[in-house]
Amino acid sequence: EAGVAQSPRYKIIEKRQSVAFWCNPISGHATLYWYQQILGQGPKLLIQFQNNGVVDDSQLPKDRFSAERLKGVDSTLKIQPAKLEDSAVYLCASSFSPLQLAGAYNEQFFGPGTRLTVL
Amino acid sequence: GNSVTQMEGPVTLSEEAFLTINCTYTATGYPSLFWYVQYPGEGLQLLLKATKADDKGSNKGFEATYRKETTSFHLEKGSVQVSDSAVYFCALGFPGNNRKLIWGLGTSLAVNP
Repeated sequence: EAGVAQSPRYKIIEKRQSVAFWCNPISGHATLYWYQQILGQGPKLLIQFQNNGVVDDSQLPKDRFSAERLKGVDSTLKIQPAKLEDSAVYLCASSFSPLQLAGAYNEQFFGPGTRLTVL
Repeated sequence: GNSVTQMEGPVTLSEEAFLTINCTYTATGYPSLFWYVQYPGEGLQLLLKATKADDKGSNKGFEATYRKETTSFHLEKGSVQVSDSAVYFCALGFPGNNRKLIWGLGTSLAVNP
């Protein structure tokens, strides 16, 4: 089966510019995650969607970051305006995770990531 | 709160050496534990997992045992290969609708021929 797709793979912008990242999860996966991974650190969850609803966006800097998953399939993460400290790899992941399986943990499948450099 | 602590890297080994990467955790309740691997230029992949105490996860020659008494989930491999060079992340998570993972900082492994 096709994996999680992300684009672009690399992006270089200047501070105060805007940027958008796209993610297409594995077909049938209800849950979609966006992570920020700064060099030398573990992934930090920015936002989690269940279908087209937000489950957790507690660590999303909402003054500059936004994300949507309008039809419950692919998703877009936007940064506007970008800051130097936003330089990182942005990872998208998906999992099957139907709400009914409360007792189960479903594996998260990751895309290759988008490496953002803010100059 | 919940947290994961991994040994700092980088770890440099010669091919066929024994590998241990330490991981300890702090958690309320009964988490599942995971090791993810990130090869250069690629996304994260699940390497192995364990869902309850004394479970042993294994994959590709790697093993880790869920030790509740020591709150540890150390990753081991008996004989590493150059192709194992990657960054390894320990993580914990809880079953249920909110499946947020708590991540360690990662340990970089370089295997020299």
